[in-house]
Amino acid sequence: GNSVTQMEGPVTLSEEAFLTINCTYTATGYPSLFWYVQYPGEGLQLLLKATKADDKGSNKGFEATYRKETTSFHLEKGSVQVSDSAVYFCALSKAAGNKLTFGGGTRVLVKP
Amino acid sequence: NAGVTQTPKFQVLKTGQSMTLQCAQDMNHNSMYWYRQDPGMGLRLIYYSASEGTTDKGEVPNGYNVSRLNKREFSLRLESAAPSQTSVYFCASSEALPGFPNEKLFFGSGTQLSVL
Repeated sequence: GNSVTQMEGPVTLSEEAFLTINCTYTATGYPSLFWYVQYPGEGLQLLLKATKADDKGSNKGFEATYRKETTSFHLEKGSVQVSDSAVYFCALSKAAGNKLTFGGGTRVLVKP
Repeated sequence: NAGVTQTPKFQVLKTGQSMTLQCAQDMNHNSMYWYRQDPGMGLRLIYYSASEGTTDKGEVPNGYNVSRLNKREFSLRLESAAPSQTSVYFCASSEALPGFPNEKLFFGSGTQLSVL
């Protein structure tokens, strides 16, 4: 079956530090890949997505590149802010299905 | 801009009690979902409805039932609550049609349920 594995947190950083959250997936075919973010007390929101190999998704300074050869979709941001403190979820969706499979989530805490 | 609305936000139940979590979306979406979120386990799909009138089991359906009342509303029922059902429950919707890629889910703000 489909699965998503992401690094466990929490990840604690200082403001303006570089952030990387690793995500790898297992799926047949060519899934679409997503990063969702959950701010405290809220539901998840789509952060970025990529629908085919080598695509780069980007939003709010975050980037992730769909790497078919390594089945990965790592999330990066060059300079984090306190407001980026949240839980980040990697997810995939199969091309012919409409269910998303989520990873376990990575909590990020950015300190001033 | 209501989006996806869930009620209640918090609920405490005793073992064996029943309750229904309500969810409504105002975006005319075809698909609706119920997830539970547990520490370290991410989100797990309980049930989903790909279109009005259809429902299907997800990863963890045991102990739950759902009703797709109409295109807007999708409720989740716990017939006899158990402590293992203590969790945060999220409803989500998507404009995805059956058989097509799911591009984006819209989530409600969640229901925190404790079963004692």
